[in-house]
Amino acid sequence: NAGVTQTPKFQVLKTGQSMTLQCAQDMNHEYMSWYRQDPGMGLRLIHYSVGAGITDQGEVPNGYNVSRSTTEDFPLRLLSAAPSQTSVYFCASSHKGTGPRGYGYTFGSGTRLTVV
Amino acid sequence: TQLLEQSPQFLSIQEGENLTVYCNSSSVFSSLQWYRQEPGEGPVLLVTVVTGGEVKKLKRLTFQFGDARKDSSLHITAAQPGDTGLYLCAGEAGNQFYFGTGTSLTVIP
Repeated sequence: NAGVTQTPKFQVLKTGQSMTLQCAQDMNHEYMSWYRQDPGMGLRLIHYSVGAGITDQGEVPNGYNVSRSTTEDFPLRLLSAAPSQTSVYFCASSHKGTGPRGYGYTFGSGTRLTVV
Repeated sequence: TQLLEQSPQFLSIQEGENLTVYCNSSSVFSSLQWYRQEPGEGPVLLVTVVTGGEVKKLKRLTFQFGDARKDSSLHITAAQPGDTGLYLCAGEAGNQFYFGTGTSLTVIP
């Protein structure tokens, strides 16, 4: 089924470990974004990309890296995990033509990350 | 950060009742979207409003964008258990969308 696929669905890390959250979409969307969701905080933008080879920082980029080598994939790397990064992470994509305004974001089902 | 406050944070009502959820900010937005999220899933777009004062209806849901494009409301008529979920507003600024804090709605049969 077409959509946004995130892996893994659940992950437990120890403080200081690194890992990569995977995100892939098969809708040929130019725009891709990473959000984290915390109780009472809504969704906060971490990094985003408007096309292959182009990335930019969002509201809460510290401790995270991204790259966009293909249209389909947008991995999020945690460099040295901290308990404050315990959260649910969502990847989202949208058409370029009108951006997220036109058709909204298509979200993946999320990765629940716990850092101990 | 474009802060979007939603109220109420939690809402529990009986089936058949009406309700209104609010999304407020001191910032002006180019457009505003409403999403609904169910447990274990990502948010799903319900509507986009672009023009100040715009009203859109989606079956029993009515969305309004404030005249000054700083706030929005979602009104549900005759709520049903299937309306249960987390409702999120998202305001557009600088070609990015900033999400509100969310309203968790429970409709009791």
